[in-house]
Amino acid sequence: FQMTQSPSSMSASVGDRVTITCRASQGISTWVAWYQQKPGKAPKLLIYDASSLYRGVPSRFSGSGSGTDFTLTISSLQPEDYATYFCQQANSFPFTFGPGTKVELK
Amino acid sequence: EVQLVESGGGLVQPGSSLKLSCAASGFRFDDYAMYWVRQAPGKGLEWVSSISWSGDNIEYADSVKGRFTISRDNAKNSLYLQMNTLRPEDTALYHCAKDMSPSIKVASSGLDVWGQGATVTVSS
Repeated sequence: FQMTQSPSSMSASVGDRVTITCRASQGISTWVAWYQQKPGKAPKLLIYDASSLYRGVPSRFSGSGSGTDFTLTISSLQPEDYATYFCQQANSFPFTFGPGTKVELK
Repeated sequence: EVQLVESGGGLVQPGSSLKLSCAASGFRFDDYAMYWVRQAPGKGLEWVSSISWSGDNIEYADSVKGRFTISRDNAKNSLYLQMNTLRPEDTALYHCAKDMSPSIKVASSGLDVWGQGATVTVSS
């Protein structure tokens, strides 16, 4: 079971709209979560069930998709958003994470 | 404060054993499934194992099946990972994480609480 993620890295400026995509090798309904990880820190849940915003997460983060194609969008990139983002399929075992997208300062 | 704190990591030789612990606080531990997820240096996240709220249902990644054993003690609010026959490729930061639901027999919504991790290094 594979989760591919693109891009693997990107450079963006504060205020930019950022879109990260994740594709599952088979249909997984909406059983996708998105995480943010900063260096030396544990991952943080941003989005669950493909499009539900986890409590306390800023509304500039949003998720969409179903089946095999999923998207994480940051509507206006903030300085604290520079990090690596991972998708995860949670439909069935083995749970699989995408390889990550590193968002860097342009 | 909701918190997970791992312990028990270290430097061991190939073929050795190690037991990780994860202490939970700030939430009702026996209401949720728990996970171990590892991250090799400079690499991505790899799911290792899951256990339901009761301990009755358990899953392992193929890479650790037969060598690792997950368990929990709800009375002690603790999760464990017994790791035997360790290999260099098991070298990683091991995080424990909390599921948003109690069961692992149905799809999960995601892992909403993570510990900082315990470092396991397997090297001769």
